[in-house]
Amino acid sequence: AQSVTQLDSQVPVFEEAPVELRCNYSSSVSVYLFWYVQYPNQGLQLLLKYLSGSTLVKGINGFEAEFNKSQTSFHLRKPSVHISDTAEYFCAVRGSKGNEKLTFGTGTRLTIIP
Amino acid sequence: EAQVTQNPRYLITVTGKKLTVTCSQNMNHEYMSWYRQDPGLGLRQIYYSMNVEVTDKGDVPEGYKVSRKEKRNFPLILESPSPNQTSLYFCASSKQGVMIGELFFGEGSRLTVL
Repeated sequence: AQSVTQLDSQVPVFEEAPVELRCNYSSSVSVYLFWYVQYPNQGLQLLLKYLSGSTLVKGINGFEAEFNKSQTSFHLRKPSVHISDTAEYFCAVRGSKGNEKLTFGTGTRLTIIP
Repeated sequence: EAQVTQNPRYLITVTGKKLTVTCSQNMNHEYMSWYRQDPGLGLRQIYYSMNVEVTDKGDVPEGYKVSRKEKRNFPLILESPSPNQTSLYFCASSKQGVMIGELFFGEGSRLTVL
């Protein structure tokens, strides 16, 4: 079984500043990793994913994440945030074998300060 | 337009009154799942379905039922709702295999049980 830890429940950031949202996972097998974003009063949508290959993955809206196997991390970054990035961000993991289920973290609420 | 549609979006009911939350997807996805979202707990899986007539329990199945008679529909049934089932519910769908993880979510159904 896999587990996900999002270390920060809330992150306030000034507009145009960089941001990093942290995600660590635990698994005894190789994994696939995902970041989802939930804008206010909406469902979740996929931001980016790591399945294999390059450890730096780019997603929508200028976000990127880096898979670090040795540190079992998959932190999300953006070099310059905008007011429209205000949302809750969820990290998720699943095992890479068979039809394993997706496990979500508890979420990080990103608040952009004008 | 590809979408997952949930109804109702908002519902207030009383303890013990049976209710059904419908979910329909138009993407011909094999995999469908129900989650509940509670503050500080992230998303927890209730039930999932790998295909028609194939369903299985997630992490928090107690008090819920599902059925998958058609590929596009995956209703969530609360036979006798209780106040601890007050939550925000999401239906999601995905293609099979490695795509499980790349979920498409509905906009959510906020349920209050008095």
